[in-house]
Amino acid sequence: DAKTTQPPSMDCAEGRAANLPCNHSTISGNEYVYWYRQIHSQGPQYIIHGLKNNETNEMASLIITEDRKSSTLILPHATLRDTAVYYCIVFGGSQGNLIFGKGTKLSVKP
Amino acid sequence: GAVVSQHPSRVICKSGTSVKIECRSLDFQATTMFWYRQFPKQSLMLMATSNEGSKATYEQGVEKDKFLINHASLTLSTLTVTSAHPEDSSFYICSARDPLGSVYGYTFGSGTRLTVV
Repeated sequence: DAKTTQPPSMDCAEGRAANLPCNHSTISGNEYVYWYRQIHSQGPQYIIHGLKNNETNEMASLIITEDRKSSTLILPHATLRDTAVYYCIVFGGSQGNLIFGKGTKLSVKP
Repeated sequence: GAVVSQHPSRVICKSGTSVKIECRSLDFQATTMFWYRQFPKQSLMLMATSNEGSKATYEQGVEKDKFLINHASLTLSTLTVTSAHPEDSSFYICSARDPLGSVYGYTFGSGTRLTVV
């Protein structure tokens, strides 16, 4: 079973920041938080990952709480192309497979 | 970055026939690849782990004789759906990880939409 909990859906206005929360209260000390997204009828796309510190790349920012029990993915300026299902996954990072939960369906609206 | 190519993107086959789906790692060698299945409006479910040079490991409830996996080289894994039935219609996705890359998780193929008629 997935070790994460996400809201099933969220809306965001185009140009605004989209903040997607994720709870992972049972995360282990050596497990990373990964975020992927899946645009309709495509394979999942890697967005970002982190262990303890906040991370930022060209796609998004990842904010991880100090106790690591939750995190937030931030899309700073959402566009219509960001409409997708976003998956938060806890993963050891070295071996094994990714277990997908139900994710959050983000709808970016004009 | 790592690229995984999956073919075909769409396939329609008749009930009772077999269909082969290919998954290739284009710029890295993958000793392990993963096959997922996704039904409409559902999440990805892991079907099996494909290991280069050895037998695949199947998840509980997945019929190994129906979903044949071959991982004959470090860059190619194939999934063959044998004697396909309409209930096998689904979106099949493969993934792999570059063992020499940074901890970027896994790269996914673009998926194969299988329709059995």
